[in-house]
Amino acid sequence: AQKVTQAQTEISVVEKEDVTLDCVYETRDTTYYLFWYKQPPSGELVFLIRRNSFDEQNEISGRYSWNFQKSTSSFNFTITASQVVDSAVYFCALSERFGNEKLTFGTGTRLTIIP
Amino acid sequence: DGGITQSPKYLFRKEGQNVTLSCEQNLNHDAMYWYRQDPGQGLRLIYYSQIVNDFQKGDIAEGYSVSREKKESFPLTVTSAQKNPTAFYLCASSIYVNTEAFFGQGTRLTVV
Repeated sequence: AQKVTQAQTEISVVEKEDVTLDCVYETRDTTYYLFWYKQPPSGELVFLIRRNSFDEQNEISGRYSWNFQKSTSSFNFTITASQVVDSAVYFCALSERFGNEKLTFGTGTRLTIIP
Repeated sequence: DGGITQSPKYLFRKEGQNVTLSCEQNLNHDAMYWYRQDPGQGLRLIYYSQIVNDFQKGDIAEGYSVSREKKESFPLTVTSAQKNPTAFYLCASSIYVNTEAFFGQGTRLTVV
């Protein structure tokens, strides 16, 4: 069975600090997909990134970066020079290739950026 | 603009009543999903549909029903059999499975 763990329930940092959100996953499939979503106070989930299990390259998009490590089953998300607009709940999610068409979500990390 | 529209944003229901949540998308996506979000929990899948006239139960389908008569529409009915329906409901769609899903703004249902 697939599972996603986000151990950090809430994180608060001062604006301009860097922050890393942890995501650990479990799957028996060799082909799978990992996602990060942002949920601002408005409630709508915003897609941030999708990564397949064969691509372990780290990715950077502006102030956002993702570190995918199959050896530790982790897909961590770092925000550099955080801003108040980054305040939101962030979800990590996993989908497997076969027999499971759904996204399994972690419980989310509430990030608060203090001005 | 392309996207997913959920309505209403807020919904109040009396115990024992059925209520239907609307979800419409104009992204031409084949797959559509309904998730439920409760405080402190991740999103849990209620139902999903990969194609018109076909849908499958998710993890928590009991007390819910759906239909997929049109590609653009995937309404969710919360029946009186759902014992704890107060929650935030999110609809999503994707081109096909295992691709990124795009979400609506959600419907907050409260049983009074």
